[in-house]
Amino acid sequence: AQTVTQSQPEMSVQEAETVTLSCTYDTSESDYYLFWYKQPPSRQMILVIRQEAYKQQNATENRFSVNFQKAAKSFSLKISDSQLGDAAMYFCALHDAGANNLFFGTGTRLTVIP
Amino acid sequence: NAGVTQTPKFQVLKTGQSMTLQCAQDMNHEYMSWYRQDPGMGLRLIHYSVGAGITDQGEVPNGYNVSRSTTEDFPLRLLSAAPSQTSVYFCASSWGPSNQPQHFGDGTRLSIL
Repeated sequence: AQTVTQSQPEMSVQEAETVTLSCTYDTSESDYYLFWYKQPPSRQMILVIRQEAYKQQNATENRFSVNFQKAAKSFSLKISDSQLGDAAMYFCALHDAGANNLFFGTGTRLTVIP
Repeated sequence: NAGVTQTPKFQVLKTGQSMTLQCAQDMNHEYMSWYRQDPGMGLRLIHYSVGAGITDQGEVPNGYNVSRSTTEDFPLRLLSAAPSQTSVYFCASSWGPSNQPQHFGDGTRLSIL
């Protein structure tokens, strides 16, 4: 069975600093994708970054990057130069070839301190 | 440039009532899905569709029906509302399976009394 675990219910970061959100997952498939979604107070889910498991290179989108450790089944999100607009719930999600489904973690609430 | 539109945004129902949550997308996406989000939990898949006329169950389908008569629309029906269905419901669409980026609507907050 697929599982996604986010062990940090809440995190905070000073504006302009860097923060890392943790995610671990479990799947028996070798073909899978990992995602980070952001949910601001407006409630809409927004894709932050996507990583294909077969790619060794870590995905990067501007100030957002991941540390994908396949053997450890770890997929952390690093936010650099944090901005007030980064404050949101962040969800880690897994899609694997065995299911037409996204499996979500329980989320990490990120607070950005001015 | 509407994307995924969900209506209503808020709804209060009494136990036993039925209702339909509407979802429409204007991106010509084949894949559409319904998720529910409960406090302290991630989103869970209710039903999904891989194209017009084709639907299938997700992780938590009981108490819900769906249909997909057009590419654009994917309504979610609650047959007889129960308090356990109090949740925030999200509709999502994508051009391919869920390994592709999902485009989410703004959600519907549903309370069952």
